[in-house]
Amino acid sequence: AQSVSQHNHHVILSEAASLELGCNYSYGGTVNLFWYVQYPGQHLQLLLKYFSGDPLVKGIKGFEAEFIKSKFSFNLRKPSVQWSDTAEYFCAVNAYSSASKIIFGSGTRLSIRP
Amino acid sequence: DTAVSQTPKYLVTQMGNDKSIKCEQNLGHDTMYWYKQDSKKFLKIMFSYNNKELIINETVPNRFSPKSPDKAHLNLHINSLELGDSAVYFCASSQLQGAYGYTFGSGTRLTVV
Repeated sequence: AQSVSQHNHHVILSEAASLELGCNYSYGGTVNLFWYVQYPGQHLQLLLKYFSGDPLVKGIKGFEAEFIKSKFSFNLRKPSVQWSDTAEYFCAVNAYSSASKIIFGSGTRLSIRP
Repeated sequence: DTAVSQTPKYLVTQMGNDKSIKCEQNLGHDTMYWYKQDSKKFLKIMFSYNNKELIINETVPNRFSPKSPDKAHLNLHINSLELGDSAVYFCASSQLQGAYGYTFGSGTRLTVV
């Protein structure tokens, strides 16, 4: 069965620090990969997505992610975080063979100290 | 215009009651979903409908019954509510069965007392 692992449960950074959130998935076939963000009290919004092509994808608000097929990873990065980036971040996978569903990781809570 | 709208936003009810949550999307998507987010923020799929046909029915108590009158609407009815049903329920929609990601509704926070 597919699964998505986000190893960092809670990350605390100061403003202007660099961010990298880990995401690994288990599925040997073709996948589409996503990062979603959930600001406090709000719904999930799509940050970025990877389908094919350039493994380095850029999303909104200065976020980017790199797909490394050999490592089954899709880590999220941002060079300099802001206080407004405080949120829950979810990595997600849609496997081509799955019956129409996206599997979400358990989420990483990001807290930014002003 | 809100792309995926859910009502109500908040729902507080007593154990044993029956309640419904409604969801509507105006994106022309062909697939709709219900996800449950627990207090630890874990997201678990419950149901999925593609063009009014149920295609995903995860291990969910049969007190939960989805209904899709048309491909723009997916409602969730819950019978005999229990304390453990307290959670945030998110509706989502997608095209091509999720291949390009979901658009989520704003969620319904259900509290059973």
